[in-house]
Order: sequence, then structure tokens, then C-alpha cells
Amino acid sequence: EVQLVESGGGLVRPGESRRLSCGASGFTFDSYSMTWVRQAPGKGLEWIAHINSGSSIITYADLVKGRFIISRDNVKNSVFLQMNNLRVEDTGVYFCTRAMFAGYSDGSPRYYFDYWGQGALVTVSS
Amino acid sequence: EIVMTQSPATLSVSPGERATLSCRASQSVSRNLAWYQKRPGQAPRLLIFGASNRAPGLSARFSGSGSGTEFTLTITNLQSEDFAVYYCQQYDHWPPWTFGQGTKVEFK
Repeated sequence: EVQLVESGGGLVRPGESRRLSCGASGFTFDSYSMTWVRQAPGKGLEWIAHINSGSSIITYADLVKGRFIISRDNVKNSVFLQMNNLRVEDTGVYFCTRAMFAGYSDGSPRYYFDYWGQGALVTVSS
Repeated sequence: EIVMTQSPATLSVSPGERATLSCRASQSVSRNLAWYQKRPGQAPRLLIFGASNRAPGLSARFSGSGSGTEFTLTITNLQSEDFAVYYCQQYDHWPPWTFGQGTKVEFK
């Protein structure tokens, strides 16, 4: 059974840092890309960051580029989100997802998100 | 960035009825479209990928259709566990992957 378990959430002050972790089990972790998606209170889903299986392709949403860093440890079957210079608007539940390869289109790979963790709540407030 | 627009924002349906949810993309995403269900306090759940392929184990009451810019999620014989928020997502052009704003299916 595929399981994704996030940890590291909590209350942080604006400008501070926080590191989220996501432990994966039930599948061959180093064969899959992984992503982070967040949901602000009362809002919809927003993709944040993506990392491919070998960490050679990493992309970020513009809202977090330069502040957040996604990484992974294929030995420990974990993916991480280092969040720096946090803002009040970064408050939300952060979900770790597995990205399922869906073939190529125009020579580029396509991925949808087939498994999600329960999420980690990050509250940024003074 | 591709903008995904869902309608209606809220859909009031009685148990046993059919719900039809719409999703429009600002440009063609081919059939690279997924639907997710989100219940309060729970992880989002993949329902449909490739516009019309059901996720493993998903009830046949859920079906997806469409291509290009217009997509539909249909839920027949609504059950109590189906009352939730549903999101469409395009994965044809990334980054970024983009979601619609969601359609809340509520009890009528």
C-alpha cells in the first residue's frame, strides 16, 4: 500500500524558516517524481514544487521561487521542503504527492498526482 | 500559465441524483486532465486521469469526458460520501501544474 506521511508543520513567525518532510513507503521511491501542493485556509489547491526521481529536474511555483527548496533522499525514501523567509500568505496545509508518469506530449513528460499524504499544517503568524 | 475554470462553484444535489461538473482550460490541454476529490480534513484523492480514465478501484458512478478545453465530471446516483469539493487539474503544460478553483457538491 502506498503511503505518504508529512511531518514538520507548526506555528512559525513571519521571516522564519521551516522544513517539511514526507516519508514514503509501499512503492519504489527512486522511480517516481514527487511534488508538494498546498491549500490555504478556505482556498483551493496550489502546486508548489516538483522534483524528478534523480533530482536533476526541479521546478517551483513563482510564489515560492527563491524562498523554498525541494530535495529528496532516495536512500531514506523521503522528500523535503525547506521553506525560508515565510510569509503570512504561506499559511496552509502542505501535501506531499507522488507524480505518476503519463507519457510524453510534444517530447515532454507528463505527470499527474496519484497519491497524496494527509498534509502538514503550517501557520505563519506573529 | 493555463487557467482552469470550474463551474458551478456550488452544486446542490439530492442523494441518488446525478451531478455534472464542468471544467474549462484557457488553452488546449489535449486529454491531460485529472479530477480530484477533497473532503474536509482528508487528503485529496485522484478520481480521473487522462480526462476519462478512472483511478484504480474507483466506482463506475464516476465518469469523465472531454478534450482540448472542455471537460466534464459526472457522478451518478450520488451517495453521502460523494459530498465534497472536486478539483480539475491540467498536466499538459508545466510548470506550473494548475487547478481549477473547485466545485463544492453539497446536500440539497
